Amino acid sequence: DIQMTQSPSSLSASVGDRVTITCRASQSISSYLNWYQQKPGKAPKLLIYAASSLQSGVPSRFSGSGSGTDFTLTISSLQPEDFATYYCQQSYSTLDTFGQGTKLEIK
Amino acid sequence: QVQLVQSGAEVKKPGASVKVSCKASGYTFTSYDINWVRQATGQGLEWMGWMNPNSGNTGYAQKFQGRVTMTRNTSISTAYMELSSLRSEDTAVYYCARGTTVTTSRYFDLWGRGTLVTVSS
Repeated sequence: DIQMTQSPSSLSASVGDRVTITCRASQSISSYLNWYQQKPGKAPKLLIYAASSLQSGVPSRFSGSGSGTDFTLTISSLQPEDFATYYCQQSYSTLDTFGQGTKLEIK
Repeated sequence: QVQLVQSGAEVKKPGASVKVSCKASGYTFTSYDINWVRQATGQGLEWMGWMNPNSGNTGYAQKFQGRVTMTRNTSISTAYMELSSLRSEDTAVYYCARGTTVTTSRYFDLWGRGTLVTVSS
């Protein structure tokens, strides 16, 4: 199985900050990388697919980049509603895997 | 509207089986894969497997091979996930998610609200 490792596991930031979350794959996955946001008690929500494509309806302050094994999710200016847990997911293999998550908390 | 509606919470004893349903509406059920993802309390997302509702083909994570079965009833646009030989570690919220493929990129763009399965003696 392809292992996905996110860093950091948790992050404290303030409204208006620029934040970057990293996801690393155990082997090359080309650009088959997706990002999700999950708030407590809710289902995950797709933010970014194919490493850098913004899902319809997602604010443009979210962006993704990377290919191969290293990927980043960037939030350009944190808003109060962005405090949540973020997960990366690889869809390169037919057996998907998620990263362990990054919890973004208010400083 | 476009949605996935899951069945209600379940409480099961160790060793029993559970079958969770996921009813699709607002889109063509057979045109998109259904995936199952679980999440134990306070833990991350764990992908369990996928099913193609058109063909019935499935693929399961190695961890669940032999214990999970994913099926469907196309006449009622419903997918099912059955997990057997339950143990306490299977206590989690189970989500179904629609898998969409654009060119060769695949992602989960529609999720059910989740079904809590509690395994307790």
